[in-house]
Amino acid sequence: DQQVKQNSPSLSVQEGRISILNCDYTNSMFDYFLWYKKYPAEGPTFLISISSIKDKNEDGRFTVFLNKSAKHLSLHIVPSQPGDSAVYFCAASTQGYQKVTFGIGTKLQVIP
Amino acid sequence: ETGVTQTPRHLVMGMTNKKSLKCEQHLGHNAMYWYKQSAKKPLELMFVYNFKEQTENNSVPSRFSPECPNSSHLFLHLHTLQPEDSALYLCASSEGLNEQFFGPGTRLTVL
Repeated sequence: DQQVKQNSPSLSVQEGRISILNCDYTNSMFDYFLWYKKYPAEGPTFLISISSIKDKNEDGRFTVFLNKSAKHLSLHIVPSQPGDSAVYFCAASTQGYQKVTFGIGTKLQVIP
Repeated sequence: ETGVTQTPRHLVMGMTNKKSLKCEQHLGHNAMYWYKQSAKKPLELMFVYNFKEQTENNSVPSRFSPECPNSSHLFLHLHTLQPEDSALYLCASSEGLNEQFFGPGTRLTVL
């Protein structure tokens, strides 16, 4: 029973365009959400997070949107660059707890 | 060394072997974690240590035995594993409840 779902296993985007990665969650107790990026042969690296008291958080080219009523979040990358090609993991937790639940990941390929 | 390091990067072992995975964090964090990532499955949290004390055991079989001698080092002792235990084992650290920093992982194959 996956509590964090990333239904798109892969995504291809042209360089310079927008990449949108989606994530759904089922556990209404989750109130803190994170995105991690993973290159081959490396561990995941933290990218951006959002608390449930917000509906948007922006950091440079990366923006995360949260729709609590739909239990949905998305990561927007604008403009996409070839170096963004990686696997992106959506993750969720309940603030105050260290147990983080991860999605299965979406492999993004940015085509030059 | 910087960040979180893990050794070995690759390990092949038989079902009767005993081996250990090592993790070291150079970030001054007080919490360390073991995760397992099997093929086509999400990362699964195995263990959490805070200030060297185990605070989370996510129903992990006893053939996996963690050890945390200090806040910078974490081991995962392996014995009598099964082929289905073959996976990528990732170590992470954090400062309390903040975001976790991951090591590169150990790719384990059990024959």
